[in-house]
Amino acid sequence: AQSVAQPEDQVNVAEGNPLTVKCTYSVSGNPYLFWYVQYPNRGLQFLLKYITGDNLVKGSYGFEAEFNKSQTSFHLKKPSALVSDSALYFCAVNRNTGFQKLVFGTGTRLLVSP
Amino acid sequence: DTAVSQTPKYLVTQMGNDKSIKCEQNLGHDTMYWYKQDSKKFLKIMFSYNNKELIINETVPNRFSPKSPDKAHLNLHINSLELGDSAVYFCASSQGGVLAGDLSGANVLTFGAGSRLTVL
Repeated sequence: AQSVAQPEDQVNVAEGNPLTVKCTYSVSGNPYLFWYVQYPNRGLQFLLKYITGDNLVKGSYGFEAEFNKSQTSFHLKKPSALVSDSALYFCAVNRNTGFQKLVFGTGTRLLVSP
Repeated sequence: DTAVSQTPKYLVTQMGNDKSIKCEQNLGHDTMYWYKQDSKKFLKIMFSYNNKELIINETVPNRFSPKSPDKAHLNLHINSLELGDSAVYFCASSQGGVLAGDLSGANVLTFGAGSRLTVL
């Protein structure tokens, strides 16, 4: 069965600084990896995904993530954080066979201070 | 137009009651899901339907019964509500196939805004 670990409950960063939200995964076979963001009282919104190919994936709102197979990681990054980036971020993994069963991590709250 | 809409947005009820949450998507997707988000924000899949057929049932109590009258709708009925059922329930949809080896696992889910259920 696949699983995702987000080791940080919360990440604090000052506006304008780079941010990283960590994610490691476990899945048999090749993974499909995703980042979703949840703003207060809203549903999850898709940010970016990795299927195959280039390890650096670019997504919405200036976010990017780097797939590292040897470290089984898919950390989310942004060069310069905005206060409006403050939200709950979920990493998720799916496998490339069988029915889609997207498994989410426990979420990391990102707080960007002015 | 809302892509995935859920009703009601808020639901407060007493233990032992029966309640339903409705979900509709206008994206033309063929796969729909129910996820449960608990008070710690942990998100867990409950059910998945593809073209009105149940695909995933994640050891959810029998008190929870999903119904998909057509591929654009997936409703969730809960019998004999318990305190532990209090959570936010999210409906989602995707264009996902069911064939092993296809790329359906890479498909993006579109989520509704959630239905917050409070059982007193």
